Amino acid sequence: AQSVTQPDIHITVSEGASLELRCNYSYGATPYLFWYVQSPGQGLQLLLKYFSGDTLVQGIKGFEAEFKRSQSSFNLRKPSVHWSDAAEYFCAVGADPLGMRFGAGTRLTVKP
Amino acid sequence: DTGVSQDPRHKITKRGQNVTFRCDPISEHNRLYWYRQTLGQGPEFLTYFQNEAQLEKSRLLSDRFSAERPKGSFSTLEIQRTEQGDSAMYLCASTSQVQRSYNEQFFGPGTRLTVL
Repeated sequence: AQSVTQPDIHITVSEGASLELRCNYSYGATPYLFWYVQSPGQGLQLLLKYFSGDTLVQGIKGFEAEFKRSQSSFNLRKPSVHWSDAAEYFCAVGADPLGMRFGAGTRLTVKP
Repeated sequence: DTGVSQDPRHKITKRGQNVTFRCDPISEHNRLYWYRQTLGQGPEFLTYFQNEAQLEKSRLLSDRFSAERPKGSFSTLEIQRTEQGDSAMYLCASTSQVQRSYNEQFFGPGTRLTVL
């Protein structure tokens, strides 16, 4: 069965520091992978997605993620975090047609 | 705004009451999904429609839950005899699904349900 694990429930980084959020997936075929961000009380906004091709994908707001098949990982990175990046981040695998499977999320706090 | 919309954004009800939520997908999208998100968790799949046909339901969707998508446009999710455990954010998403391809889903802002 498809599943997504986000090992870090909560991460705190200083503004301007680099960020890496971990995501591991379990999926039998070539996965469709996504990162979403959710601010309090808001819906989900897509940051980036991986379907095929280049394993390093660029997204919005300066985020990027790298697909590593050998490690079943799709970690999200940003070189310099801004205070506005504080939010909940969800990794997901596309499990067509049964919608997506989401991880439990990682809450990011940004210190001034 | 041509995104996915949901109504209401917030709903407070008493245990035992019935509630109904509405989702309006992006107009050209033929697939519509419902998810439930509880506090501290990621969204969990509930059900989905291909046009007006409801093709799959999760085991999370008890008999008290029913969803419809008449005419393949907007969808409603009804919860009968609400329980406190139904308190959650209910998210709707839509996508344009072409055979043998996978497209990203676009999410609405959600309806937050609180059952007292």
